[in-house]
Amino acid sequence: GQNIDQPTEMTATEGAIVQINCTYQTSGFNGLFWYQQHAGEAPTFLSYNVLDGLEEKGRFSSFLSRSKGYSYLLLKELQMKDSASYLCAVRDSNYQLIWGAGTKLIIKP
Amino acid sequence: IAGITQAPTSQILAAGRRMTLRCTQDMRHNAMYWYRQDLGLGLRLIHYSNTAGTTGKGEVPDGYSVSRANTDDFPLTLASAVPSQTSVYFCASSPTGGAGANVLTFGAGSRLTVL
Repeated sequence: GQNIDQPTEMTATEGAIVQINCTYQTSGFNGLFWYQQHAGEAPTFLSYNVLDGLEEKGRFSSFLSRSKGYSYLLLKELQMKDSASYLCAVRDSNYQLIWGAGTKLIIKP
Repeated sequence: IAGITQAPTSQILAAGRRMTLRCTQDMRHNAMYWYRQDLGLGLRLIHYSNTAGTTGKGEVPDGYSVSRANTDDFPLTLASAVPSQTSVYFCASSPTGGAGANVLTFGAGSRLTVL
């Protein structure tokens, strides 16, 4: 079967750095997405990786290793507004998105 | 403001009733999707449409139907609601080609409670 694994919850301190991991086992791979979802709101697109390596976008970076079936989202200089759930999704060989359950990130002052 | 509009925002429904969740987008995206989101589970695809006039079944289609008469609208119908359909429903859309393919824009969600 297809599977996306992420930690259920993480806690970090304002101003610090946090890394949210995502491992996947899917039938084929055509890209990996990260979305941010604040409580009670819709998910919003953060990043997309299709080749191995690091994609940097401001305070957020996303890394992909296709051989390991692994990605991480790195958030730097954490702000209270970064408290949200972070969803990992993989586009499979049929170009369908397979979603992880999300990681709830709690930021403490 | 370009985006997706869902209605209703929230609804309490008696089991056995018929319910249609509405979704309209103004971005001229070809693809549209309906997901449900339940606590502890990832987003699960109910139905999708790659272009007007075509629809397809997702991971959890039973008890739901959709139609795509035009590019902008993609309503989701529960023919006879059951309590297990209590969930938050998200409509989404995306381009189907180029760099933006599968980069989903989501509506604000419809919270449905079936009693």
